Amino acid sequence: SQTIHQWPATLVQPVGSPLSLECTVEGTSNPNLYWYRQAAGRGLQLLFYSVGIGQISSEVPQNLSASRPQDRQFILSSKKLLLSDSGFYLCAWTPSRFAEAFFGQGTRLTVV
Amino acid sequence: DQQVKQNSPSLSVQEGRISILNCDYTNSMFDYFLWYKKYPAEGPTFLISISSIKDKNEDGRFTVFLNKSAKHLSLHIVPSQPGDSAVYFCAARNTNAGKSTFGDGTTLTVKP
Repeated sequence: SQTIHQWPATLVQPVGSPLSLECTVEGTSNPNLYWYRQAAGRGLQLLFYSVGIGQISSEVPQNLSASRPQDRQFILSSKKLLLSDSGFYLCAWTPSRFAEAFFGQGTRLTVV
Repeated sequence: DQQVKQNSPSLSVQEGRISILNCDYTNSMFDYFLWYKKYPAEGPTFLISISSIKDKNEDGRFTVFLNKSAKHLSLHIVPSQPGDSAVYFCAARNTNAGKSTFGDGTTLTVKP
């Protein structure tokens, strides 16, 4: 069966520090991968998505970047965090454009 | 411009009664619609979906209705149970683009 792993679960980082969140999927190949952010009381905002290794589409101009170094690995990064980067970050995957998304457990990021 | 709207931030119903959650969209290119359920500090989990070629899809206690002309969909939960208490997100997808747009969610509380 397929599983998605996202870590860490919580993270407190100072303003200006770097960020690296990792997401891996097991039990499938060539998944579509997504990074979402949920602000308090709001819906899920799509940040990045990838349909293959090295293929990254950015949805929102921001202080973040994403990379897909391996087929089932998706990384969200920042060189210098801002206070506004605080939020709940979710990684997700789908087997195809016509299937539901499966989400990781999320990372609560607090920038202080 | 928010393309997917859930106009009711919260809904409270009595156990055993029907819960109806609503969702409106503006983009006529959306052709696949999904509902997710989310508990605090966890990732969303998929509930039910519907293709734009259908107007109803049923899975146990959950039924999704789609009115394409009105660009409106709804999720019916019958009978509602206390364990259904969670945040429900509506999502719409343009399958050619392969990415989903989420509403802001509706918090459902089912009272015993």
